[in-house]
Amino acid sequence: DAKTTQPTSMDCAEGRAANLPCNHSTISGNEYVYWYRQIHSQGPQYIIHGLKNNETNEMASLIITEDRKSSTLILPHATLRDTAVYYCSSSSGSARQLTFGSGTQLTVLP
Amino acid sequence: DAGVTQSPTHLIKTRGQHVTLRCSPISGHKSVSWYQQVLGQGPQFIFQYYEKEERGRGNFPDRFSARQFPNYSSELNVNALLLGDSALYLCASSLGDRSYGYTFGSGTRLTVV
Repeated sequence: DAKTTQPTSMDCAEGRAANLPCNHSTISGNEYVYWYRQIHSQGPQYIIHGLKNNETNEMASLIITEDRKSSTLILPHATLRDTAVYYCSSSSGSARQLTFGSGTQLTVLP
Repeated sequence: DAGVTQSPTHLIKTRGQHVTLRCSPISGHKSVSWYQQVLGQGPQFIFQYYEKEERGRGNFPDRFSARQFPNYSSELNVNALLLGDSALYLCASSLGDRSYGYTFGSGTRLTVV
């Protein structure tokens, strides 16, 4: 299972883009990269996932480097409600189970 | 539509006791996974079940067991509780076998004293 590494914490000004990096240098070719966020110890909320192409949905964009060793989650216009712990994870194994890192605490400042 | 529902939301148990946690997946989802999240860490995979069969197991002792019922709901059982089993236990459901989207419930907060 790929190990993911993320910064422990980041701040972002409200209305600005939040760019959250993740290192997954040991990821294998068929492992997807997933991003989830968690607020106040609720269940993790799915944000986006990808394999090797960049992805965009209504919540965020995911940029995966060509060598797939790292990725960046972009929240284009952060709001106070985006304050949460953001987890970068990979899916692998027979059950495609998710392997989570320790996450990044994103604080959006007014 | 209801999301993934877990019960109970909180409980307190004594060391050595047994606990059963329950999960109802999203309607139509046939796969259920269980994760343990210790305070300050990311969730760790415990089990995945699909169509009542175990499809994956994480690095947890045999005190942990689970099963899935014909209606796709699931139970996680933990025997001989230790203080270190105190955690948020999360259930996630997905459409099918090795599918690409997981929806998590709000979890059960277990405290072992």
